Amino acid sequence: QKEVEQDPGPLSVPEGAIVSLNCTYSNSAFQYFMWYRQYSRKGPELLMYTYSSGNKEDGRFTAQVDKSSKYISLFIRDSQPSDSATYLCAMRPISSGSARQLTFGSGTQLTVLP
Amino acid sequence: DGGITQSPKYLFRKEGQNVTLSCEQNLNHDAMYWYRQDPGQGLRLIYYSQIVNDFQKGDIAEGYSVSREKKESFPLTVTSAQKNPTAFYLCASRTTTDSGNTIYFGEGSWLTVV
Repeated sequence: QKEVEQDPGPLSVPEGAIVSLNCTYSNSAFQYFMWYRQYSRKGPELLMYTYSSGNKEDGRFTAQVDKSSKYISLFIRDSQPSDSATYLCAMRPISSGSARQLTFGSGTQLTVLP
Repeated sequence: DGGITQSPKYLFRKEGQNVTLSCEQNLNHDAMYWYRQDPGQGLRLIYYSQIVNDFQKGDIAEGYSVSREKKESFPLTVTSAQKNPTAFYLCASRTTTDSGNTIYFGEGSWLTVV
């Protein structure tokens, strides 16, 4: 079983819809949670990161962490065609010292239809 | 502008040849990474380096080699021993002096074996 599971999609929604992207994980040591957006044939870019449980909002994006369920979500409100991309979750434990700490999900491909 | 530069963007290799992918960063980051991305498998760590003249194997290091002679540079050589090298290769870097939550990616290099 992978440490981080992410539904690969593809997911298609109409413009203006609310999108929910999710990841589950098995390692209870994970404390930092990140979401990356990757456009086709480009490198991933960091969208948001959160520490421990709770919500964090940035514009149309909300990241949610439920550590008790080992479940994280990214919500996109008023989705736009420009949001069409692959979304990767990533996470790491709180302990420092090792540079390899990040564990990535496999990514969810999202298409927002105009 | 600060960032990570990968070259070449597209590369074709004949079977049996070694090829080297370049990665340069001017972010003054200590840690650098090489990932491989295949459809449906997310990012898999090949090698990483936390400081100059030191590097560690990731999850799929077989058939690859790296060097870290300068802080700014972390080239990846795909050797003839790598049996399935056709993939999208991503270089990344991160500072290790703070919480280190932000890992920055280059634009990637597409390698195709012909």
